Amino acid sequence: NAGVTQTPKFQVLKTGQSMTLQCAQDMNHEYMSWYRQDPGMGLRLIHYSVGAGITDQGEVPNGYNVSRSTTEDFPLRLLSAAPSQTSVYFCASSYVRKGTGELFFGEGSRLTVL
Amino acid sequence: SQQGEEDPQALSIQEGENATMNCSYKTSINNLQWYRQNSGRGLVHLILIRSNEREKHSGRLRVTLDTSKKSSSLLITASRAADTASYFCATRYAGGTSYGKLTFGQGTILTVHP
Repeated sequence: NAGVTQTPKFQVLKTGQSMTLQCAQDMNHEYMSWYRQDPGMGLRLIHYSVGAGITDQGEVPNGYNVSRSTTEDFPLRLLSAAPSQTSVYFCASSYVRKGTGELFFGEGSRLTVL
Repeated sequence: SQQGEEDPQALSIQEGENATMNCSYKTSINNLQWYRQNSGRGLVHLILIRSNEREKHSGRLRVTLDTSKKSSSLLITASRAADTASYFCATRYAGGTSYGKLTFGQGTILTVHP
């Protein structure tokens, strides 16, 4: 089992560029989510999904899009990157129907927007 | 807004000492979870305590929950240098559905000196 895999690990963008952060899990988890982590702010939920075809907004969704076409994949798209989106992004997944919602995290994607 | 607030923000102790971290939250919860994050890595689930539980143990970890005060504490006994990490509490809102939509605190940075 690879768990939760995020790519890329590091990315530098210029303001206005777009990109996609990839997240894949091989645990057959229904729930997948994206958080961003900023110094002194803890982790803040961006978007989440409880199954293929179902997505919803979290605490800080502006500037980001997601889709969930398969159980395994949950990509995060930055439409027009801004310096305020410089952060470390974490993808996390869990079961919905069984278990208590313990989250399994990827190793993170560090994004710098110049 | 952040659900969990942690105290202290940073804690520095010697190997062999006990480390106590506290977490306060604002609304009724379904459960409270503690996670650990080593520098530059993703978060790893440590322990979960349900709202109807008062205390839980796992190895050198002891978690308490006081729902009347809306607070929790994580005790690490006989700490080791390898326990050096950031520790986060995360809460699931009681009115939410049974999936892992968790709200994280800002974290406590624990440093254990050999």
